[in-house]
Amino acid sequence: DAGVIQSPRHEVTEMGQEVTLRCKPISGHNSLFWYRQTMMRGLELLIYFNNNVPIDDSGMPEDRFSAKMPNASFSTLKIQPSEPRDSAVYFCASSWTGTGKSEAFFGQGTRLTVV
Amino acid sequence: LAKTTQPISMDSYEGQEVNITCSHNNIATNDYITWYQQFPSQGPRFIIQGYKTKVTNEVASLFIPADRKSSTLSLPRVSLSDTAVYYCLVGDMRVTGGGNKLTFGTGTQLKVEL
Repeated sequence: DAGVIQSPRHEVTEMGQEVTLRCKPISGHNSLFWYRQTMMRGLELLIYFNNNVPIDDSGMPEDRFSAKMPNASFSTLKIQPSEPRDSAVYFCASSWTGTGKSEAFFGQGTRLTVV
Repeated sequence: LAKTTQPISMDSYEGQEVNITCSHNNIATNDYITWYQQFPSQGPRFIIQGYKTKVTNEVASLFIPADRKSSTLSLPRVSLSDTAVYYCLVGDMRVTGGGNKLTFGTGTQLKVEL
């Protein structure tokens, strides 16, 4: 398996534009996580899905952020409209969570810059 | 979720053993302890996971005392390439356990020098 695949790797956009980040989890995994990482706030969990259903989106900062998982092999994180303070590295991770033990696999991240 | 406390930073030299301790006083019965490593510009990477006593793999050892209120990640003979941030997580990764949130704390920045 190629691991968790995120696209694009880098995104530069102007304030007010819509941004869509994409993630392909590892085949067979049933949980998917979206994180945002900045120097100031560290690694923040935004939302996670289990079996394609959003379980907890309490970390989503504002209504400008939305996430979907239409099927087990694809998820998107959308920011509309984007703002400079959204600049960060966004990570997607997937795991199999059927027992107490679990290992999450992270993608390479998308570095978003909003100017 | 059990809150974790770990040192913000640690310094070491190549060839030394490094022990990073994490406190998790309110760990629940079903919680597992998991450690991740993160290099700059990369996503976190799983290192080791355990429930009690000692777990060892090709990368590290994890020591968990009987009361499970703390854990120690042990890295034998570190090298420059072990310079990274190390995160301790505690939770029940089962679907219904709530620990599914996989929440990271501030981590420990380990710096290894020559």
